[in-house]
Amino acid sequence: TQLLEQSPQFLSIQEGENLTVYCNSSSVFSSLQWYRQEPGEGPVLLVTVVTGGEVKKLKRLTFQFGDARKDSSLHITAAQPGDTGLYLCAGERGGAQKLVFGQGTRLTINP
Amino acid sequence: GAVVSQHPSRVICKSGTSVKIECRSLDFQATTMFWYRQFPKQSLMLMATSNEGSKATYEQGVEKDKFLINHASLTLSTLTVTSAHPEDSSFYICSATDRDRLHQPQHFGDGTRLSIL
Repeated sequence: TQLLEQSPQFLSIQEGENLTVYCNSSSVFSSLQWYRQEPGEGPVLLVTVVTGGEVKKLKRLTFQFGDARKDSSLHITAAQPGDTGLYLCAGERGGAQKLVFGQGTRLTINP
Repeated sequence: GAVVSQHPSRVICKSGTSVKIECRSLDFQATTMFWYRQFPKQSLMLMATSNEGSKATYEQGVEKDKFLINHASLTLSTLTVTSAHPEDSSFYICSATDRDRLHQPQHFGDGTRLSIL
């Protein structure tokens, strides 16, 4: 059973379009992190959300943490080819700092 | 920002060989380090949690005698894959965090691609 369901797992769109990636769970997380991973490299942290309902923006990327801290979304506006990559959400439970990763979303932005 | 260095980046060796992978935090004290395994086109799966000065905690299904973890200092943890076989071929990634600071993110190394022939 996957603790964090991430969708879609694959997404291919044209440059300039908008997209949203979802991360859902029935469990409550003390924090949720979004990472981006390039082939052959480790994940790079994009953002950490902690408070229910929190919204954080990073240029064209908008991250939201659900009010109940069970789900999160990543919205990209006007996607660019440089946004291509694997996006991973990861939830932290309690104070253990152990992360549970979603399955990942492999995003391809076509020029 | 915080940097985690992982070495080597790639290992190719014969079946039966033991392989050691190092994970170093370069500019902070990593009270806790984590070891993950990632198969092609899949997400990261936590193998074990390593706390400085104590025994590692392994996730269910991970053989502690197969994957030896040592966290001897606040900046270094090592993972040794003992008597490696082809099914151990994978991408191994470490991360480090300062447990004493609330909600500190994990900083990841660049991974080690292990190929067992």
